[in-house]
Amino acid sequence: EAQVTQNPRYLITVTGKKLTVTCSQNMNHEYMSWYRQDPGLGLRQIYYSMNVEVTDKGDVPEGYKVSRKEKRNFPLILESPSPNQTSLYFCASSDLLAGDPQQYFGPGTRLTVT
Amino acid sequence: KQEVTQIPAALSVPEGENLVLNCSFTDSAIYNLQWFRQDPGKGLTSLLLIQSSQREQTSGRLNASLDKSSGRSTLYIAASQPGDSATYLCAVTAGNTGKLIFGQGTTLQVKP
Repeated sequence: EAQVTQNPRYLITVTGKKLTVTCSQNMNHEYMSWYRQDPGLGLRQIYYSMNVEVTDKGDVPEGYKVSRKEKRNFPLILESPSPNQTSLYFCASSDLLAGDPQQYFGPGTRLTVT
Repeated sequence: KQEVTQIPAALSVPEGENLVLNCSFTDSAIYNLQWFRQDPGKGLTSLLLIQSSQREQTSGRLNASLDKSSGRSTLYIAASQPGDSATYLCAVTAGNTGKLIFGQGTTLQVKP
């Protein structure tokens, strides 16, 4: 089954404790991205990656890092989480570079930073 | 700066009714427009994608239209069912980075 998976699905952590949210897709997509969803602000892009070793900032990259060492994986790293990063996070992938812009989203990771 | 607006924010209808969800965007220079469905605790599911050169797309009971010049799209749901209850999100892609710019969504409740 074609899918985007994220782990963990739920996470409660404390300020300053480094964490990584993993994202993996099995569709051989080159394009992957991360969004956060907040009440009243909607979904906003954090980072995106056009291909392996190619990443770029979205609209709200502050406080986040990403890496793309393999095509299938695109982890989101919070080196020193703060309460304002409490949010619902979504990873997405698409075959954009092959001309198919439809984006497939993961199930989301609900993060709470206390 | 591209902005996407969805009206209404919430909608409650009896089962069987036909309904229209609205989406507007401020900059007509878009690559495509997508409609997504979001269920509580789940991710986003793509419903329909309309390329900038297209006027509409249909899938089952769903029909989406696009009028780029006026900056509007509508999602028509025919013969609504309780299983259609969800939040519907409209998003445009502007630029070649693949970034989606989302509206705030319309939360639909279909009552049996």
